[in-house]
Amino acid sequence: GQQVMQIPQYQHVQEGEDFTTYCNSSTTLSNIQWYKQRPGGHPVFLIQLVKSGEVKKQKRLTFQFGEAKKNSSLHITATQTTDVGTYFCADTSQGAQKLVFGQGTRLTINP
Amino acid sequence: KAGVTQTPRYLIKTRGQQVTLSCSPISGHRSVSWYQQTPGQGLQFLFEYFSETQRNKGNFPGRFSGRQFSNSRSEMNVSTLELGDSALYLCASSLFPAGENTGELFFGEGSRLTVL
Repeated sequence: GQQVMQIPQYQHVQEGEDFTTYCNSSTTLSNIQWYKQRPGGHPVFLIQLVKSGEVKKQKRLTFQFGEAKKNSSLHITATQTTDVGTYFCADTSQGAQKLVFGQGTRLTINP
Repeated sequence: KAGVTQTPRYLIKTRGQQVTLSCSPISGHRSVSWYQQTPGQGLQFLFEYFSETQRNKGNFPGRFSGRQFSNSRSEMNVSTLELGDSALYLCASSLFPAGENTGELFFGEGSRLTVL
């Protein structure tokens, strides 16, 4: 069935370093969403990508959707302590009636 | 505008008991999805309701059930609780039904269930 693999599962960086998490699907996606969950909090929507090859930026965050619409990435430039949390991708395969979340990448930062 | 409200926020039950969790979506949202979150399994889809109809169900045993009322509020029930049911149960509402045009999900704070 529909499955989303997210890597890495954990990432620890020094403040100021860059961070990237990847999301891969075995099926072609209609669109992909990214969420951030702070420790002790709930997932909060960051962005949705719809078009093949799409790139969107939010300040230090860059989101990409693969050309074949089977993968996506989130890149954070020059991490700050406020970036700490777990980043989830969520995908909707064509014809599916649910949003399936990846396992998440937990980001911790050494100040 | 008020966000998604889940009650209770915390609860402790013992094995064999049953529990009911409640979720009030954002006003105007007719879709409510439920997810189970555990440290090792991430966010697992339980089910989604739209206009009082269950549209989809995740891979969970029949002990997990839910319903949605005419005012879009939703409840989920877990019967015969097991230790492995300990988790954070998250409810999310959206304007459109889950699928290709879902749009943004708005999550509640969750109900943290501990089964002893």
